[in-house]
Amino acid sequence: DAGITQSPRHKVTETGTPVTLRCHQTENHRYMYWYRQDPGHGLRLIHYSYGVKDTDKGEVSDGYSVSRSKTEDFLLTLESATSSQTSVYFCAIRLGGGSYEQYFGPGTRLTVT
Amino acid sequence: KNEVEQSPQNLTAQEGEFITINCSYSVGISALHWLQQHPGGGIVSLFMLSSGKKKHGRLIATINIQEKHSSLHITASHPRDSAVYICAVVMDSNYQLIWGAGTKLIIKP
Repeated sequence: DAGITQSPRHKVTETGTPVTLRCHQTENHRYMYWYRQDPGHGLRLIHYSYGVKDTDKGEVSDGYSVSRSKTEDFLLTLESATSSQTSVYFCAIRLGGGSYEQYFGPGTRLTVT
Repeated sequence: KNEVEQSPQNLTAQEGEFITINCSYSVGISALHWLQQHPGGGIVSLFMLSSGKKKHGRLIATINIQEKHSSLHITASHPRDSAVYICAVVMDSNYQLIWGAGTKLIIKP
């Protein structure tokens, strides 16, 4: 399962509050990704990282920021949560060595009230 | 038009039937990824392929690069195969994934 964990697994928060989701991996993969999954949409990329302190935006990055200060941790922050950010958030890693296969964490269900 | 199209969107079949799920794409790719998501569950990688065919148990994935099409087959389907099956392509320009919307499969006993 590529040793990926996400925390918290469930969270309910109020509009306007900051929220940080954590993705942790144990196998030193270089590439890490944050996606959101919503009914009627495929997975949508929020941000990704290609190394410590190296990050880039995905297709739905507005309202989100990320940080990666250690190889094993990739943090996603909702700066001021809105109801439109209610979603299931998945973290993923990409296998190295020329493979583009991605393995996913268990997901975090976030509800913004 | 979406760059990755899956068909059908929904599929219901009886246990034991042979299942085919299709994925067509319109961009240049390096590889194609099939994944599975059970209801309320996580996302599991099934196959990554760039040519030909791969088989794992009752699952078979094929790809035709010239026709820009891939199929996922399930032989001797079982209710535990009920899940959403997702196709994603690895773009050859930047190696990012473009995701299909998924096919929801229900296998009835």
